[in-house]
Amino acid sequence: DGGITQSPKYLFRKEGQNVTLSCEQNLNHDAMYWYRQDPGQGLRLIYYSQIVNDFQKGDIAEGYSVSREKKESFPLTVTSAQKNPTAFYLCASSVRVASVSTDTQYFGPGTRLTVL
Amino acid sequence: SQELEQSPQSLIVQEGKNLTINCTSSKTLYGLYWYKQKYGEGLIFLMMLQKGGEEKSHEKITAKLDEKKQQSSLHITASQPSHAGIYLCGADARGGATNKLIFGTGTLLAVQP
Repeated sequence: DGGITQSPKYLFRKEGQNVTLSCEQNLNHDAMYWYRQDPGQGLRLIYYSQIVNDFQKGDIAEGYSVSREKKESFPLTVTSAQKNPTAFYLCASSVRVASVSTDTQYFGPGTRLTVL
Repeated sequence: SQELEQSPQSLIVQEGKNLTINCTSSKTLYGLYWYKQKYGEGLIFLMMLQKGGEEKSHEKITAKLDEKKQQSSLHITASQPSHAGIYLCGADARGGATNKLIFGTGTLLAVQP
């Protein structure tokens, strides 16, 4: 089965701790993305990567970090610098690096992070 | 900055009724996506529209993009409980081919049996 997996599904963190969310895809997609979803605010882009060993900040990157050492993996670290980390985090991937049109993004099942 | 407005914010319909959800932008849309989300789960891709006037259908769901490429509608015919969920529109509105999407805030649909 091809798809995107995120783990864990639920994550609890104490204030001041860093935590890493996993995202893996076996779709052979080049591009991967992290979004944050809050009630009433829709999805907001945190970071994205269009190729291995390269990534760019999205609209709300402060307090987050990522790495892209392998094509199939794009982990997100929520650091203690993130002031309001409680949210639903979604990972997505899409085919292309270079194209004349936007490619469809496919999403994982999400991780709900709660800071205690 | 580009924003997508969805209307209505929420909708309750009786099973078997038709309904329409709208997604509106103040700027031209380059690639308009419709997704469905069950609460606490990931987004499921429904359809993508690119050309002005384009219309696509899948089972009982039809999506249209207007000629000016600034508004899209999602129409569900003869709604069923399985259609319940949150519908989100997403668009690449930053000049095309950037693959960065912005999203509307979603429309919550409930279908009463």
